Amino acid sequence: SAVISQKPSRDICQRGTSLTIQCQVDSQVTMMFWYRQQPGQSLTLIATANQGSEATYESGFVIDKFPISRPNLTFSTLTVSNMSPEDSSIYLCSVDPGQSYDTEAFFGQGTRLTVV
Amino acid sequence: GENVEQHPSTLSVQEGDSAVIKCTYSDSASNYFPWYKQELGKGPQLIIDIRSNVGEKKDQRIAVTLNKTAKHFSLHITETQPEDSAVYFCAASMDTGFQKLVFGTGTRLLVSP
Repeated sequence: SAVISQKPSRDICQRGTSLTIQCQVDSQVTMMFWYRQQPGQSLTLIATANQGSEATYESGFVIDKFPISRPNLTFSTLTVSNMSPEDSSIYLCSVDPGQSYDTEAFFGQGTRLTVV
Repeated sequence: GENVEQHPSTLSVQEGDSAVIKCTYSDSASNYFPWYKQELGKGPQLIIDIRSNVGEKKDQRIAVTLNKTAKHFSLHITETQPEDSAVYFCAASMDTGFQKLVFGTGTRLLVSP
């Protein structure tokens, strides 16, 4: 299993500002994933982050808006840039701790972002 | 790409009843199907999963069935309890060594005492 810690757990931000969300894992993992969950909605993958390379973004998400860092095998950050009220969501970090057939995805508790 | 549909969006049952949530997927290459439970203010927690080489998996009061031909899978909760109340998400992925999940739209389950 994997224990994932996200910071902050929640924040209220002014439009036009940026917020950086941190994700810390208690074990080394190859891939980390960032998801967005809009109010009352499902989870949508933003990007996949590998250590030592640029993140891979899903359709509808761009690096200028959601820059990601992955400096080592236990840590990643997601920045929500130039925020607008439409960015109000829960942002979740996820990891797959292994490469074997029986692994599963673990999620952090999420960061609840409100943009005013 | 993969698309996952989930029904119903809300489900209310009496304590002790069974609850069934159904999902369909579009990509026949998908072969890993987890179910997550999300309680208020928390991240999703895996409750059960199934891979395409089996048709059914059970863990105490929870079971999942998979029909690859029809491309649908279902979550069954028996003897429901109030603490089962939460939002449940199904998901699908192609198990290429990492979990890039496509989620269903979620089902809000309410179990009344």
